[in-house]
Formats: sequence, structure tokens, C-alpha cells
Amino acid sequence: AQSVTQLDSQVPVFEEAPVELRCNYSSSVSVYLFWYVQYPNQGLQLLLKYLSGSTLVKGINGFEAEFNKSQTSFHLRKPSVHISDTAEYFCAVSATGYSTLTFGKGTMLLVSP
Amino acid sequence: DAGVIQSPRHEVTEMGQEVTLRCKPISGHDYLFWYRQTMMRGLELLIYFNNNVPIDDSGMPEDRFSAKMPNASFSTLKIQPSEPRDSAVYFCASTFSGGNYNEQFFGPGTRLTVL
Repeated sequence: AQSVTQLDSQVPVFEEAPVELRCNYSSSVSVYLFWYVQYPNQGLQLLLKYLSGSTLVKGINGFEAEFNKSQTSFHLRKPSVHISDTAEYFCAVSATGYSTLTFGKGTMLLVSP
Repeated sequence: DAGVIQSPRHEVTEMGQEVTLRCKPISGHDYLFWYRQTMMRGLELLIYFNNNVPIDDSGMPEDRFSAKMPNASFSTLKIQPSEPRDSAVYFCASTFSGGNYNEQFFGPGTRLTVL
């Protein structure tokens, strides 16, 4: 079984500042890793994913994440945030070859002017 | 493609009533998932189907919950009788196992309030 820990429930940040949302996972097998974003009153939307290959993954809206196998982490970063990035961000893990996802509890990113 | 469609978007009902949530997955997708989202427990997988067959329902909280997928384009999640603690946002998601990876596509959710 897999598990995901998102260390921060809320991250306040000023517009144009950099941000990092932390995610750690636990698994006894190889995994795929994902970040999803949920805007208010909407469903989840895939931001980026790591399947294999380069450990630095680029996604939509200027976000990127780095897979660190030794630290079992998959932190999400953006060098300069916008007000429109205010949303909840979910880290998720899946055992390779399987369809089910295990989600973290989510991190609310609050961007203020 | 219209994406995953869920109805209703909002449902308010009284304790003891039957509630039926509906989902239409993306055409061609062979997996369908039902999730529940609450502040306390986050996003939980309730049940999922592959080719209309339930594969794992271990996340279904109680016998009051049931789910069906009579065909590839329709699924229901039923709660009977409903209780206030069932209040949550229920998401349906679908994916195609034959793609690069089976990214899950989520519907907009149904916000259920049980009074």
C-alpha cells in the first residue's frame, strides 16, 4: 500500500514570490507521482506527473516538481506565483501498473497581492 | 469531449432519504472511480469499476452505500438511508488504461448536504 503526506495544510504567499509545496510518499514498490490542482467549486485537474526518466517534471501554469527517490519526496515549485494560483493542491501516488491513486490531504495555496 | 459529467451539482436532502448521484464518464474510458471529499478525511476512494465491473469497493463506508455501472456511459452512487455525516463532495473520475498513463479525469463533483 502507498501513503502520501503533505506537510503543510495551508501556505500563504505574496504575489510574484516563489513557492514550494511539500509532498512525501511511502511505498514498498515503484510508483508514479502526481500533482493535481482544485480550484474553488471545481473538480481536480492534473498539474503534472512523474512516470520515469528525468526527475524534474514540468507541468502546466509554470509549475514544476522534482522526484527525489532517496528522500521519497515530490515537492512542487513555482518561481513566481499569481493570484490565480490560489487553489488547493493535491499530491497523489500510484503503484506502477495500477490505476488507483492515493491522495494526500491537500495544501491550500493562498496568494495575496 | 465534454469531460466527466456529474449530476446533480448540488443536493440537499433530509436524513433518512435516498440519494442518487449520477456520473457519465468520458467516452472510451474503461475505468470509473467514485471519491468522497471531506475536510476531515480528505479525498477517499469509495469504489472503482473496470469495464463496468466493480473491482474494489473496500472504501465504501457502509451498506447504506451502493454503486452500479449498468453500461460504459453511466454510473450511479446511491445512499439509502442518508445521514448528516454523509455530507461531502462526491467526485466521479474516469481513465483509459490503454494510454501513456491512465491519468484520471475528474468531474465537477456533487455537493451533498444531509440535514
